[in-house]
Amino acid sequence: DTGVSQDPRHKITKRGQNVTFRCDPISEHNRLYWYRQTLGQGPEFLTYFQNEAQLEKSRLLSDRFSAERPKGSFSTLEIQRTEQGDSAMYLCASSSGGGANEKLFFGSGTQLSVL
Amino acid sequence: AQTVTQSQPEMSVQEAETVTLSCTYDTSESDYYLFWYKQPPSRQMILVIRQEAYKQQNATENRFSVNFQKAAKSFSLKISDSQLGDAAMYFCAYRRNGAGSYQLTFGKGTKLSVIP
Repeated sequence: DTGVSQDPRHKITKRGQNVTFRCDPISEHNRLYWYRQTLGQGPEFLTYFQNEAQLEKSRLLSDRFSAERPKGSFSTLEIQRTEQGDSAMYLCASSSGGGANEKLFFGSGTQLSVL
Repeated sequence: AQTVTQSQPEMSVQEAETVTLSCTYDTSESDYYLFWYKQPPSRQMILVIRQEAYKQQNATENRFSVNFQKAAKSFSLKISDSQLGDAAMYFCAYRRNGAGSYQLTFGKGTKLSVIP
């Protein structure tokens, strides 16, 4: 069990470019979440997958954002036509069950800077 | 919509002393969960403690305990015998219980410093 892995750790891009982040959850975790955290704020929910199905999306996830989880394993989060307001840390978390005993394991995040 | 408020942007505590971090929340639901997460400089969020709203007994995990006041919608975290490794951002979070409720709502966090 190596924990939740996110790649890259840092990404610097120019406004208008597309970026893609990857998250590798703990193996056999069927639930996967994406959150966004801006400076001085707590994380904000973006989207949730149960296996390969995307079951919930926040209104924060505009049409420039797309997330996938093919085969219910790793997940990718793509941002098209990046804007300076997209600068944030993107956190991934996974868990193996729901309800009262669900425990989320977070990755160390991808820090995105849009110039 | 649910909101979580942490009114203390920063707190400090002497090593080995006790500190309490405050959290209030607003919800119309009766069945929900509350959490405290720790985020050290390494950025990885770690669950500290959780409380189920239907349980009257306050949760305890070693040096960490909560004071859950459901009527007042208050959920404070007490850290006893503070250690240098406790220095981090602490986030209070809420999640509604029930089908289709997956997201955590976080407060803005409290930065805790531990003074040697």
